[in-house]
Amino acid sequence: NAGVIQTPRHKVTGKGQEATLWCEPISGHSAVFWYRQTIVQGLEFLTYFRNQAPIDDSGMPKERFSAQMPNQSHSTLKIQSTQPQDSAVYLCASSFDTGQLYFGEGSKLTVL
Amino acid sequence: GDQVEQSPSALSLHEGTGSALRCNFTTTMRAVQWFQQNSRGSLINLFYLASGTKENGRLKSTFNSKESYSTLHIRDAQLEDSGTYFCAGTGSKLSFGKGAKLTVSP
Repeated sequence: NAGVIQTPRHKVTGKGQEATLWCEPISGHSAVFWYRQTIVQGLEFLTYFRNQAPIDDSGMPKERFSAQMPNQSHSTLKIQSTQPQDSAVYLCASSFDTGQLYFGEGSKLTVL
Repeated sequence: GDQVEQSPSALSLHEGTGSALRCNFTTTMRAVQWFQQNSRGSLINLFYLASGTKENGRLKSTFNSKESYSTLHIRDAQLEDSGTYFCAGTGSKLSFGKGAKLTVSP
């Protein structure tokens, strides 16, 4: 079992550009979560899917962030018109239903 | 407001000693999870509890759902235990504490 796979591990982008982050959950897991981690804010919930359907996106900044799960094997988090304050480590996690969470190693986004 | 209050925020131990971390929940949680974040930034599962106590090696965790708190006990601390420990409560979604940075020194 490869665990949760996130790509890219590191992304540097210029202000105003788009960034897309990918997550492949553990096979058979029905729930996928996205979190963001910064030193100042800690671990912040962004959104989660169950059986590919969006369940709760209450943590997503509304204007520039979007997440999708087009099939059971991957989810994407897209940030449009990136800003320096979007710099963070973006973490994806999966679980059976909403039980024990397994995290990927994260995608570190740096917006210059 | 914060649903998960974690304490202490930092802790230093000498090898071979032990201590405990605690999380208080301000809302009802169905379960608690504990994670260790290592130097690479990876969040490693330690425990998942809906109630009671679980033990794994030198680590033990309890979750008192009635009184809304959980503890993580570390005994015989080793250098590799250094890292940041997070608790997370499962309510309507998973809410994390702010973490406890553990430093184990020789």
